[in-house]
Amino acid sequence: DAGVTQSPTHLIKTRGQQVTLRCSPKSGHDTVSWYQQALGQGPQFIFQYYEEEERQRGNFPDRFSGHQFPNYSSELNVNALLLGDSALYLCASSLLKRTARETQYFGPGTRLLVL
Amino acid sequence: AQSVSQHNHHVILSEAASLELGCNYSYGGTVNLFWYVQYPGQHLQLLLKYFSGDPLVKGIKGFEAEFIKSKFSFNLRKPSVQWSDTAEYFCAVNGASGAGSYQLTFGKGTKLSVIP
Repeated sequence: DAGVTQSPTHLIKTRGQQVTLRCSPKSGHDTVSWYQQALGQGPQFIFQYYEEEERQRGNFPDRFSGHQFPNYSSELNVNALLLGDSALYLCASSLLKRTARETQYFGPGTRLLVL
Repeated sequence: AQSVSQHNHHVILSEAASLELGCNYSYGGTVNLFWYVQYPGQHLQLLLKYFSGDPLVKGIKGFEAEFIKSKFSFNLRKPSVQWSDTAEYFCAVNGASGAGSYQLTFGKGTKLSVIP
């Protein structure tokens, strides 16, 4: 049973560039959430995708955008990179259950360094 | 807005010592509560979760947590820690229904170091 996978594992970019991170959810899951984890902090919610639409968004600027594909995989795009965007980006997947609660399972993350 | 506070930034214990990590949350409604663990070099893993029912929940590797609604707390405990428990522990909360259930709000984490 494949867990959540993310690519790439590490990435180095310069200020002003754009980056795309990818996530494949755990087998059987249909919902993908993205989180940013800065050094020494807990993960912060960026947004969640379900049925190829952004279902909820955290307190992140429009430079952060995403997409979900019909196979439930997802991309996180960040434009006009800033030094402060350097962080571990985590993808979490879950199965939407309308009568029960969701549990989110996390991938290994993509570590982004902006120089 | 929901928030989570973890009282200890870094805890150092000797093997066989008992562990209690504090977690308090702020949320205007019914909540789901989680503890995640991040072992060195590994990804976040679910340790245990509380949705409803018995406020004392048991997780993997001998961990348990108690939900005390009146104190808005969900403390993590283990009677006897092992060196392999060295990791960072995160408490998280989301709403039990509606839009608040989509996002997890995490505390800043507690780093646990167990000395052999």
